[in-house]
Amino acid sequence: DAKTTQPTSMDCAEGRAANLPCNHSTISGNEYVYWYRQIHSQGPQYIIHGLKNNETNEMASLIITEDRKSSTLILPHATLRDTAVYYCIEASGSRLTFGEGTQLTVNP
Amino acid sequence: DTEVTQTPKHLVMGMTNKKSLKCEQHMGHRAMYWYKQKAKKPPELMFVYSYEKLSINESVPSRFSPECPNSSLLNLHLHALQPEDSALYLCASSQTLGSAYEQYFGPGTRLTVT
Repeated sequence: DAKTTQPTSMDCAEGRAANLPCNHSTISGNEYVYWYRQIHSQGPQYIIHGLKNNETNEMASLIITEDRKSSTLILPHATLRDTAVYYCIEASGSRLTFGEGTQLTVNP
Repeated sequence: DTEVTQTPKHLVMGMTNKKSLKCEQHMGHRAMYWYKQKAKKPPELMFVYSYEKLSINESVPSRFSPECPNSSLLNLHLHALQPEDSALYLCASSQTLGSAYEQYFGPGTRLTVT
């Protein structure tokens, strides 16, 4: 069962930062938080993951609260190609369990 | 090469047909996965193979039969499917089961059962 909670949908203007929140209040101390996205009619794509420190890579930044009960994925300069469903996943049980995710729409 | 390929892209089959979906990766990954995704829903895990052996079967009906003939190939054999089995079937791979959270996905096969 998915243990994360995300808003169903969000909009963002092209060129602006997209901040996607996720609640994972049941996460245990050694469980990582993973983010994937799925562009329409494609397979999901790994974005980033973290345990308790903030992380950044070429795609995004991940901010995890000190109590680890929530996180925010940041796309610093959203483009139209970032329109996708974004999934926040608690890594447990040697499998990815996808929740409903957030549909991010980047508008011109 | 970080690509997972799936064939065919689209498949239409009748309820009495037998067909197979194919997935291939050349990243040296030893864990491979099949997912089913219905329209506007998240992917759901069906099967997991680790080192060519079936590791997880998520109580999938026997009309779906997976096969892993070698470390690069994963097949899903389909027989006597129902219209409700129409979905996008996704294949994925990861280095090992221990790195199951970093999976590479193929583009999927869109299956329609008539």
